[in-house]
Amino acid sequence: GAVVSQHPSRVICKSGTSVKIECRSLDFQATTMFWYRQFPKQSLMLMATSNEGSKATYEQGVEKDKFLINHASLTLSTLTVTSAHPEDSSFYICSAKNSKGETEAFFGQGTRLTVV
Amino acid sequence: GQNIDQPTEMTATEGAIVQINCTYQTSGFNGLFWYQQHAGEAPTFLSYNVLDGLEEKGRFSSFLSRSKGYSYLLLKELQMKDSASYLCAVKDSNYQLIWGAGTKLIIKP
Repeated sequence: GAVVSQHPSRVICKSGTSVKIECRSLDFQATTMFWYRQFPKQSLMLMATSNEGSKATYEQGVEKDKFLINHASLTLSTLTVTSAHPEDSSFYICSAKNSKGETEAFFGQGTRLTVV
Repeated sequence: GQNIDQPTEMTATEGAIVQINCTYQTSGFNGLFWYQQHAGEAPTFLSYNVLDGLEEKGRFSSFLSRSKGYSYLLLKELQMKDSASYLCAVKDSNYQLIWGAGTKLIIKP
């Protein structure tokens, strides 16, 4: 199957700093990428949908100025958590849908963010 | 509103069979997905159903009834490594995935 690589897998940062998470599609072109966060023992919560070359569409309640998403190429999307707070600590997961319209979304490995 | 229901937790014995049910109420339907998620890891795709009936893939099978808004994931010959959460997700009329909370499956020897 298609491979999506997410980096870093774990990151610890201080309150007030920014953290960038990368999501790359390694063997296909991803016109659409999705960013999720997941709290312990809960399901995935969609944060935003990003389409290559255009602004991301954020879900209700997600602060677009805090969670900056850039999808500058067909193989890379980035999520930057700005001015991180401890409550931003979570598991962040990206997924990508290929340009052939295949229905499965392929997931990155996830990033465990801890803000101290 | 949109809703996906699945049991919170199930327990089964190694070598046995287990069925995980999922019922959904969504605005439109463009397919139902099952994913497996081990603790601390991202979900991995298991199956996709868009038409009624049973899809078999090795030890795993997935069934869909669109008229009943119902699906199940059937796991046969359970192995300890099958201990994980199983997520049901439905793609709605906007082609957006609506996720269930997941079913934690515990396999006992």
